[in-house]
Amino acid sequence: DTEVTQTPKHLVMGMTNKKSLKCEQHMGHRAMYWYKQKAKKPPELMFVYSYEKLSINESVPSRFSPECPNSSLLNLHLHALQPEDSALYLCASSPGQGDKYGYTFGSGTRLTVV
Amino acid sequence: AQSVTQLGSHVSVSEGALVLLRCNYSSSVPPYLFWYVQYPNQGLQLLLKYTSAATLVKGINGFEAEFKKSETSFHLTKPSAHMSDAAEYFCAVSDNTGRRALTFGSGTRLQVQP
Repeated sequence: DTEVTQTPKHLVMGMTNKKSLKCEQHMGHRAMYWYKQKAKKPPELMFVYSYEKLSINESVPSRFSPECPNSSLLNLHLHALQPEDSALYLCASSPGQGDKYGYTFGSGTRLTVV
Repeated sequence: AQSVTQLGSHVSVSEGALVLLRCNYSSSVPPYLFWYVQYPNQGLQLLLKYTSAATLVKGINGFEAEFKKSETSFHLTKPSAHMSDAAEYFCAVSDNTGRRALTFGSGTRLQVQP
C-alpha cells in the first residue's frame, strides 16, 4: 500500500459545528503532516507529527486541533471555524522527518465553512 | 530558514515544445530539493527529487531537473510537452532546521496549447 487516504473528500460545515478530518497511511512512515492550501496558493504547513510527537506552526489558530492516535493515523479536529478557513486540507507522510525522501500526499479534503 | 523561489507564475507552451520551469533556492548548504505536480482538485504528486547523489535527476512522465550549485537553481525541464502536462508545479525544499518540513515555492501553472 503506497497511498495516503483522506476522508472525507468534501466537507461543508457551519461555524458552530465540530468535525474531524481523517488521514491514514500503511507505508510504515513515521512522520505525518497537515498542510492547508488556499486557492492558487502553495500548501502551508500546519502540523508535524514525527514518531508521534507534535510540532506546531505557531501561526495556526487553536480552532484546529491535531491528534495522532497511532503512527498510521492522523486526525484534524475542527471547531468554531471561520469562512476564511475554507481550503483544501492535505495530509502527507514520509519515512522520517526533515529527510530526503519526499512526501506522499493524500488527495485532500475540500472544506467549506458557511 | 531555507526557501525556494519560482520564477513565472504562468508558463504557456505549445504541444511538443520544450518545457522549462524555473526554481532557485536560498541555502548556505546544499539542500534537498523536490518538484511536485498538482492536477485540479487533487493532492500533490512527487515528480523528482535531488538528494546530492547526482546533479541531473530524472523523474516521472519524462521530466528531469539539474541541480546547479553555482546558480543555486533546480530548474525542471521536459523536451516535449504533452497536453496532459497541464497542471500546477511546485518546487520545494526540505527544511533541516526548525520544524524540519517541506517548504513550497509559490507554484507555476503550466498551460499546453494544442
